[in-house]
Amino acid sequence: GESVGLHLPTLSVQEGDNSIINCAYSNSASDYFIWYKQESGKGPQFIIDIRSNMDKRQGQRVTVLLNKTVKHLSLQIAATQPGDSAVYFCAENNYGQNFVFGPGTRLSVLP
Amino acid sequence: EAQVTQNPRYLITVTGKKLTVTCSQNMNHEYMSWYRQDPGLGLRQIYYSMNVEATDKGDVPEGYKVSRKEKRNFPLILESPSPNQTSLYFCASSLSSPTSGFPDTQYFGPGTRLTVL
Repeated sequence: GESVGLHLPTLSVQEGDNSIINCAYSNSASDYFIWYKQESGKGPQFIIDIRSNMDKRQGQRVTVLLNKTVKHLSLQIAATQPGDSAVYFCAENNYGQNFVFGPGTRLSVLP
Repeated sequence: EAQVTQNPRYLITVTGKKLTVTCSQNMNHEYMSWYRQDPGLGLRQIYYSMNVEATDKGDVPEGYKVSRKEKRNFPLILESPSPNQTSLYFCASSLSSPTSGFPDTQYFGPGTRLTVL
């Protein structure tokens, strides 16, 4: 499949452990954030989003935390599975502007 | 099934030979966009469209054209491709525009790997 990032930071976790993927966003005025998962050879897939009036949002096995003070976003994946292996990246949106996408983090799940 | 489709998925061409990459969505989305993805870089927007006959430049529009004659289709045209346009291209759509103040999730197509020799 295609390589979406030859020099991406990589996070390796044991199957069954929890994963935490971090994203530092650039614009303190950004008010909407999305996490995407991109598997090799596929387009980005929506995982979870959060608006700036929230600090935390939970989905199925995933939680997004937003710390506006330090412009930091994190994605927590519970009980990581082999199918979670992919590149994960965040996107930020500032009212009236287009999305800005981060370069991503590669998650590798070890058996 | 709700989806964004792109064709072709893979294309190898030569410098200067005009090509078109098609994009179609079946979700009745107003907003459509083209991105390119290069190693080590995030997605960069090429062009976007708020609705039929409404298109605008993104961050890296040079060397590309688009059209939006129908709501569901948003083709990307390279009139005279050059090697620096070798990249992975994604089409995306969403119900509302990211600039509307009420952005919505963008749904991405599977990608088109373009190589320009």
